[in-house]
Order: sequence, then C-alpha cells, then structure tokens
Amino acid sequence: EDKVVQSPLSLVVHEGDTVTLNCSYEVTNFRSLLWYKQEKKAPTFLFMLTSSGIEKKSGRLSSILDKKELFSILNITATQTGDSAVYLCAVDTEGVQGAQKLVFGQGTRLTINP
Amino acid sequence: KAGVTQTPRYLIKTRGQQVTLSCSPISGHRSVSWYQQTPGQGLQFLFEYFSETQRNKGNFPGRFSGRQFSNSRSEMNVSTLELGDSALYLCASSLRGRENSPLHFGNGTRLTVT
Repeated sequence: EDKVVQSPLSLVVHEGDTVTLNCSYEVTNFRSLLWYKQEKKAPTFLFMLTSSGIEKKSGRLSSILDKKELFSILNITATQTGDSAVYLCAVDTEGVQGAQKLVFGQGTRLTINP
Repeated sequence: KAGVTQTPRYLIKTRGQQVTLSCSPISGHRSVSWYQQTPGQGLQFLFEYFSETQRNKGNFPGRFSGRQFSNSRSEMNVSTLELGDSALYLCASSLRGRENSPLHFGNGTRLTVT
C-alpha cells in the first residue's frame, strides 16, 4: 500500500527561526513529489519535485528530493507569522492510462509565534 | 486566470439523503480529481476524471460517484448519506496530458451530515 509519512506532526517556533519539515514515502509508480500549504481552505501549491538532488527555491522556502532514500525536506528560513499553516506532502502516483492520484501525508502543523 | 471553483461552499444534510457537489476546473485543465479531507484520515483520493472518463477510483463505497462533462466541469454525488461522510470535499484540476502537472485545489465544500 502506498504510504507518505511526515514529521514532525506539529512544530512551534519563534518568528525568525529556520524550520525543516520532513517527508518520507513508499509508493509504486512514483511520478513526482509535491508540497502544499493549507491555511483555511484550499491547499495551495508550493513545489513539485521530480529529480533527485535538485533544489527548488521560492523566496524563503526551498525543497529537495532524495529518490534513493525516498524522502524530501521543506525548509523555511527567517519564518514569519504568515508561515503558520499545515504543510502537506503528497506523492503523485501514476495509474493506468496516465491516471493521476496523489497520496498525502498527515501534514505538519507549523505555528510561528511572534 | 480564475482558480478552481466549487459550489456550494457549505451544505447541511440529514442521514439517508443524497447530495451533489459541483466543480469548475481552471480553464484549459482537462483532469479533475476529488478528495475527501477529515481530521482523522487526512486527505484521501476519491476519483479522477479526464476527458469525461473516470481513470482512477479510491477506496470508497459505491455511494460515492462522479462524472465529468464535455466542458471539463465535474460533479460528485453521495447517496444515502452517513454521519461519517461529514468532511471537506476538495476538487482539484490539472493539465494532465503534459508531463508532471501539479494539482490545483478549490476551496472545497464543507458537508455536515446530521
């Protein structure tokens, strides 16, 4: 059975700290790994990673994938209160006829205190 | 470009009733997926449609069904509602047909079954 595990499940830090969120996976038919941020409603897309060892960056956020060890990390530097959210890791597993299915981890609830 | 639009935003139904949820994908996106989000189970895959064909289905009972129209809009139906069906139902769309296209989520429909 396909599985995605995130750690920690919850994290509380002070504004300005750097955080690292972890995601490990065991799936068949790996296609890509995605990170999402969920505040109130819709998960918003952050990164999609397909190749091992290539870092994706967007401002203070960055992510990298290790396909050999089957994990990914999401780093957030100089955290701000607006970074408080649930961060979701998902693996896109390709089904028949190219069907797209995401398997999600439980999420990491990040709280940034001022 | 408008995002994924889901209607209605909130629904309250009674056990045994049925419900239909609607989703309009991002313009140009041909793949539409549905996910159920609950505090206990997290985000779980329901089904995925592409060009009006269901390509993949998750582990949900037959009471959960869906369809996609020629304009890529999609509906999801749940019959004989149970208390455990109370959840946030998220629709997502992607370009799919291109290599590794991320899912973009709507704000969801919050279904409460009493």
